[in-house]
Amino acid sequence: GAGVSQSPSNKVTEKGKDVELRCDPISGHTALYWYRQSLGQGLEFLIYFQGNSAPDKSGLPSDRFSAERTGGSVSTLTIQRTQQEDSAVYLCASSFIEGDTDTQYFGPGTRLTVL
Amino acid sequence: AQSVTQLGSHVSVSEGALVLLRCNYSSSVPPYLFWYVQYPNQGLQLLLKYTSAATLVKGINGFEAEFKKSETSFHLTKPSAHMSDAAEYFCAVSEGFQKLVFGTGTRLLVSP
Repeated sequence: GAGVSQSPSNKVTEKGKDVELRCDPISGHTALYWYRQSLGQGLEFLIYFQGNSAPDKSGLPSDRFSAERTGGSVSTLTIQRTQQEDSAVYLCASSFIEGDTDTQYFGPGTRLTVL
Repeated sequence: AQSVTQLGSHVSVSEGALVLLRCNYSSSVPPYLFWYVQYPNQGLQLLLKYTSAATLVKGINGFEAEFKKSETSFHLTKPSAHMSDAAEYFCAVSEGFQKLVFGTGTRLLVSP
């Protein structure tokens, strides 16, 4: 079946602009995660949505970052007033419950470059 | 807090040789452990996971990992490396239904 898809695959923007990154999870997966992968910081958790529960935003690095998940499916990660340190690959994962934990499946990522 | 340590940012092996990628974890609760592989310009692909059902876990592409609680380790092995195994490998831990905490990754290089 179809995996997690993300768009755009690449995004180049100028410092100070806002960007939106989109994630389409695997159909039927109830949880959705955003991570950031950068050279200096490795793979970092950003935010987690599970069903109708309040999202876990504990990984968002600043109030310039926000995310929403509409209808329990598609998610959008928004970065306002982008800075050069926001340059990274943004990965989305969706998961289903299997036994006593969930298994996360990742999309191909969006490579963000802030000039 | 949970953490993962991957010893060796780069590991080089010859084709046909044993692959051993090391992962040690720290967790205050029984952990769930995962290995993911990342090929260039791609996302993360799940290789295998440990969820307490069995300490020796078999994954895709001939990889396996053994959970050793006494050593807090979850090392990844493959008996015979193939050129197509060249990639970056990430070990991760979670407490279940929570974020993954990743190690810094190990780049596997396979020479002919």
